[in-house]
Amino acid sequence: ETAVFQTPNYHVTQVGNEVSFNCKQTLGHDTMYWYKQDSKKLLKIMFSYNNKQLIVNETVPRRFSPQSSDKAHLNLRIKSVEPEDSAVYLCASSNRDWGGYEQYFGPGTRLTVL
Amino acid sequence: TQTVSQSDAHVTVFEGDSVELRCNYSYGGSIYLSWYIQHHGRGLQFLLKYYSGNPVVQGVNGFEAEFSKSDSSFHLRKASVHWSDSAVYFCAASGTGGYKVVFGSGTRLLVSP
Repeated sequence: ETAVFQTPNYHVTQVGNEVSFNCKQTLGHDTMYWYKQDSKKLLKIMFSYNNKQLIVNETVPRRFSPQSSDKAHLNLRIKSVEPEDSAVYLCASSNRDWGGYEQYFGPGTRLTVL
Repeated sequence: TQTVSQSDAHVTVFEGDSVELRCNYSYGGSIYLSWYIQHHGRGLQFLLKYYSGNPVVQGVNGFEAEFSKSDSSFHLRKASVHWSDSAVYFCAASGTGGYKVVFGSGTRLLVSP
């Protein structure tokens, strides 16, 4: 079954550590996204890529860096985590069709920073 | 500034009731609107979308939404809810390209048996 896969499911770490999250989509989509969902369920877009090219880079701290090796993969690295980085990070992909953009989401990676 | 507003943080109904979840937007230019559902501990799942044409669009599991340009709204409706519809519902909007998607704050729907 094709889908959007994220690893790890959970990650607990200390302030100042570096973490990396992986995302892979097997849907053949051209565009991939990273979102941050906070404890109140608010969703904010962080980055979007189209065919490995960065398209949207919202005002996120510089310690966050996306990495795309091909259009099926979009990883997220956080260089030195802070307590406010605790959240669920959701990866998504989409393809444009005539009717708009239907996004497919992964299950998310829950980050806890102690 | 592009904004999506979901005025109801929580909605509680009984199984078999009808429900309407409200979404209002503020967007310049062409707009693509959609609704997503998020069950506890999971990612979002697409329900339906609108760009042009018939303002009433049908989605999965009996959901439908109606676009109104005059009201700047895209409300989601279901005629008869099931307990499994309990979840958080998100309204979303994007412009041409779909690269930047703005989500509303979500409405938590609780369906009581």
